[in-house]
Amino acid sequence: EAGVAQSPRYKIIEKRQSVAFWCNPISGHATLYWYQQILGQGPKLLIQFQNNGVVDDSQLPKDRFSAERLKGVDSTLKIQPAKLEDSAVYLCASSLGGQGPDEQYFGPGTRLTVT
Amino acid sequence: AQSVTQLDSQVPVFEEAPVELRCNYSSSVSVYLFWYVQYPNQGLQLLLKYLSGSTLVKGINGFEAEFNKSQTSFHLRKPSVHISDTAEYFCAVSGQGFQKLVFGTGTRLLVSP
Repeated sequence: EAGVAQSPRYKIIEKRQSVAFWCNPISGHATLYWYQQILGQGPKLLIQFQNNGVVDDSQLPKDRFSAERLKGVDSTLKIQPAKLEDSAVYLCASSLGGQGPDEQYFGPGTRLTVT
Repeated sequence: AQSVTQLDSQVPVFEEAPVELRCNYSSSVSVYLFWYVQYPNQGLQLLLKYLSGSTLVKGINGFEAEFNKSQTSFHLRKPSVHISDTAEYFCAVSGQGFQKLVFGTGTRLLVSP
């Protein structure tokens, strides 16, 4: 079974530029998550999708971050314009979904450096 | 709202020694508890989870954790560590419902020969 795929693995941009990250979850997983992991901290949930609907985006800085999961499969996270404090690893995870405590499977992450 | 505290940012230990990584949580409702491991430049991998039932949970790679409701703790233990256990370990809590995980700040386990 293929795992969660993310691209690119690394990205370096200058502040005020835009950037996009892509995630392809495990086949059949209804729930998709985007986390931000700043160096020295634990992952923080940015947004959670159930199929193509948003379940939780309370910690997403909506003035600069956006995310979509149009067909309920893969997802894109965008930052426009980027700030220095956006430097972090962006992790995508997926799970089967539903009310039960099902396991989240994480991708390798995209390391973003904003200069 | 839930929160997780991992007091130890780094734990150095010699190979074959026992180790305990501490985790305390706060929540006003019933919770699920998790330990994840992150190797360098990789995503997170689930080590073990507590959902209900027995308070002693066994996971992969010889790790186990004990849920203590009165002390609101979920400490991770291994009786004998290997060099390959060197990694970052994250404790996480989730309330019932739509699975939002709240992570601690992590503990870096450094195993030396």
